[in-house]
Amino acid sequence: DTGVSQDPRHKITKRGQNVTFRCDPISEHNRLYWYRQTLGQGPEFLTYFQNEAQLEKSRLLSDRFSAERPKGSFSTLEIQRTEQGDSAMYLCASSPRGDYEQFFGPGTRLTVL
Amino acid sequence: DAKTTQPNSMESNEEEPVHLPCNHSTISGTDYIHWYRQLPSQGPEYVIHGLTSNVNNRMASLAIAEDRKSSTLILHRATLRDAAVYYCIRGRTTSGTYKYIFGTGTRLKVLA
Repeated sequence: DTGVSQDPRHKITKRGQNVTFRCDPISEHNRLYWYRQTLGQGPEFLTYFQNEAQLEKSRLLSDRFSAERPKGSFSTLEIQRTEQGDSAMYLCASSPRGDYEQFFGPGTRLTVL
Repeated sequence: DAKTTQPNSMESNEEEPVHLPCNHSTISGTDYIHWYRQLPSQGPEYVIHGLTSNVNNRMASLAIAEDRKSSTLILHRATLRDAAVYYCIRGRTTSGTYKYIFGTGTRLKVLA
């Protein structure tokens, strides 16, 4: 399967703990996006990478959130000092150069107790 | 960025056409309209997209109003596998970033 993969698929953590999610985009897709989706809502944009450069961050991304894409391949999203309001599905998508279509991964569902 | 507006839910009988409406009255001239669908516990899946002209592919058709303030996704013959949440999305470029602005989606129920 050569689609976008995300790991883990599910994460349960206690409030105050740090968590890290990984996204592996489709090979040679230079654009990578992170979205957050809460129950009953559509996904909301969090951040965007073009190759290894993080070009845009939503104001939804508080200072407890950090994302990286070293070497322009996989990406990680870390949440420090998790809060119950962070409980959501975190989706990663990638897109090839010159194309508007985004390919989504299956998401990581985070539950903060 | 203003989101699109969609009905919360719709029902259709199997084998019949389905017309899913979307309102995007504040769309700008360079915003694309994308449609994705999402099954439970899965990421969104691409359906179709367009800018000004109507579009057809193997999955669906997209009819875009002349003033571009609304569009309709058409599934020609609904099957049980088409039951999903359908999102109408504005795709726009701001500060060099092309990103999606999702609406709240329409949950489509297909009746056997």
